[in-house]
Amino acid sequence: DSGVTQTPKHLITATGQRVTLRCSPRSGDLSVYWYQQSLDQGLQFLIHYYNGEERAKGNILERFSAQQFPDLHSELNLSSLELGDSALYFCASSRGTGLIIMNTGELFFGEGSRLTVL
Amino acid sequence: AQSVTQLDSHVSVSEGTPVLLRCNYSSSYSPSLFWYVQHPNKGLQLLLKYTSAATLVKGINGFEAEFKKSETSFHLTKPSAHMSDAAEYFCVVSHFTGGFKTIFGAGTRLFVKA
Repeated sequence: DSGVTQTPKHLITATGQRVTLRCSPRSGDLSVYWYQQSLDQGLQFLIHYYNGEERAKGNILERFSAQQFPDLHSELNLSSLELGDSALYFCASSRGTGLIIMNTGELFFGEGSRLTVL
Repeated sequence: AQSVTQLDSHVSVSEGTPVLLRCNYSSSYSPSLFWYVQHPNKGLQLLLKYTSAATLVKGINGFEAEFKKSETSFHLTKPSAHMSDAAEYFCVVSHFTGGFKTIFGAGTRLFVKA
């Protein structure tokens, strides 16, 4: 058990709809990362938040957005869903970024949210 | 520029034989290097990590990796494969430049035959 919790585990919805995926990081972790994993694209970095602030963006579509709340949990919002958005969405957390000496960049992953768009 | 190349997309071995999963990296910085494993329908789990200490790193489940700076490689090995090792393996490089940047390889799927 990594200590990272993602909900829901499975989600089936229709094209054009909007969904929200939730992630609770490990206790004490300030950084949250979102990844998309699909058969054709592999593991793609979407976005990184640190202590409530956006730190880096990857291949995240404009239809997608994320935020990290004061209690450090994060939500990934996917809107105007298309068939191609069907994928496994992972959240990962880490101790932090910046001046934390012992942070090696190790990531702790949740078990993912499997989104199916019909 | 930083990059990670996993040289094989698929590797197939027989149970009880050695495993070698190859990874080359490119980094302008002193990187941290990781191997993660992903079993079907599961999240990624850390196997082992190199963070500028000993170049031979031991991980969980009998896996090892050796950091070779001159070859820019970080290959993953195991002396004897077990059926439960069948999974996807990701080589990852991470470096700190005002914040950690983490780059994943494309993954190598390991098949283990009985």
